[in-house]
Amino acid sequence: AQSVTQPDIHITVSEGASLELRCNYSYGATPYLFWYVQSPGQGLQLLLKYFSGDTLVQGIKGFEAEFKRSQSSFNLRKPSVHWSDAAEYFCAVGNTGGFKTIFGAGTRLFVKA
Amino acid sequence: DGGITQSPKYLFRKEGQNVTLSCEQNLNHDAMYWYRQDPGQGLRLIYYSQIVNDFQKGDIAEGYSVSREKKESFPLTVTSAQKNPTAFYLCASSPRTTSNYGYTFGSGTRLTVV
Repeated sequence: AQSVTQPDIHITVSEGASLELRCNYSYGATPYLFWYVQSPGQGLQLLLKYFSGDTLVQGIKGFEAEFKRSQSSFNLRKPSVHWSDAAEYFCAVGNTGGFKTIFGAGTRLFVKA
Repeated sequence: DGGITQSPKYLFRKEGQNVTLSCEQNLNHDAMYWYRQDPGQGLRLIYYSQIVNDFQKGDIAEGYSVSREKKESFPLTVTSAQKNPTAFYLCASSPRTTSNYGYTFGSGTRLTVV
């Protein structure tokens, strides 16, 4: 069965510092992988997605993620965090050819001045 | 601009009441979904619909009902059978139900039992 683990419930980063949010998935084949961001009281917005091909994926707002099959990971990165990046981030995995998308529990990002 | 509109933003329900959450999309997407979000639990799928007049139960459908009479609309009814309805409810859509497209989400409805 598919599953997604985000090991960090919350992370605090200084403004201007680099960011890496961890995501590990469990799925038998090559999955579809997503990162979403949610501001307080709002819906989720798609940051980026991976299906196949280049394992380094670029997204919106300066984010990127790298798919590592050997580690079953899809970590989200940003070289320099802005205060407006403070939000909750969700990793998600979809099964090939199916409808079901499983979401991780989320990582809340705090940005300090 | 195309998107998903959820209303109301806040909803209060008395014990034993049924309430209906609205979800409308103008993206011409075939598939629509309802998720429930509780703190620390991520998103859990309630119902989804692939086409008009068809819908399927998700992982936590008990105490909920839906309809899909129009492509644009996918309302969710929280019935009195749902024992713990206080949560944040998110509606989403995608061009198809195959899971490679990613979702567009509405801004959510926060339901509170009073």
